Amino acid sequence: DVKVTQSSRYLVKRTGEKVFLECVQDMDHENMFWYRQDPGLGLRLIYFSYDVKMKEKGDIPEGYSVSREKKERFSLILESASTNQTSMYLCASSLYLAGGPRFFGPGTRLTVL
Amino acid sequence: SQQGEEDPQALSIQEGENATMNCSYKTSINNLQWYRQNSGRGLVHLILIRSNEREKHSGRLRVTLDTSKKSSSLLITASRAADTASYFCATVSPLAGGTSYGKLTFGQGTILTVHP
Repeated sequence: DVKVTQSSRYLVKRTGEKVFLECVQDMDHENMFWYRQDPGLGLRLIYFSYDVKMKEKGDIPEGYSVSREKKERFSLILESASTNQTSMYLCASSLYLAGGPRFFGPGTRLTVL
Repeated sequence: SQQGEEDPQALSIQEGENATMNCSYKTSINNLQWYRQNSGRGLVHLILIRSNEREKHSGRLRVTLDTSKKSSSLLITASRAADTASYFCATVSPLAGGTSYGKLTFGQGTILTVHP
């Protein structure tokens, strides 16, 4: 069965801290994505990766960076967390980059104080 | 603005009834997908319908696509309390020149509540 896991369900951090959100998939998918979900704004794509060490900016990359050192793992990094980065973060993977179904993790609810 | 817009924003029904949710979009698409999200959880892919398909079934789910009206509907038959969730449509736009990425754009979702 397809599985995407995220390192934390809930996370509380302070403004200015460096935050790492980890995502692991066991489906041998080439493509991985990071979204954030906010009420009234829906899901917005932050970054995606189509291969190890390859990354592309999504719609809202400012304030974030990513790392993909291994095929199964995709990390989202908040270099200096701010209160406007309080959100639900969702990781996803897919077999096809050109519009196939995404398989999502359970999400990490991040609160920045 | 979001490509897909769901209607209604919220739907409340009794167990056993059918639930219909609609999605409208603005530009041409390669395919349209429906996802379910239980409260505070990740999204689960339900069904994908390609632009050259008009109807698709999966268990109690029936999806239709009308590309001339740029709209899709999701029908859940004989609903159960466990169907209570938010439902999102997501559209995949044709590939822009020079890129292999098909952008998946999500709507705001319909909140479905099924009362036992």
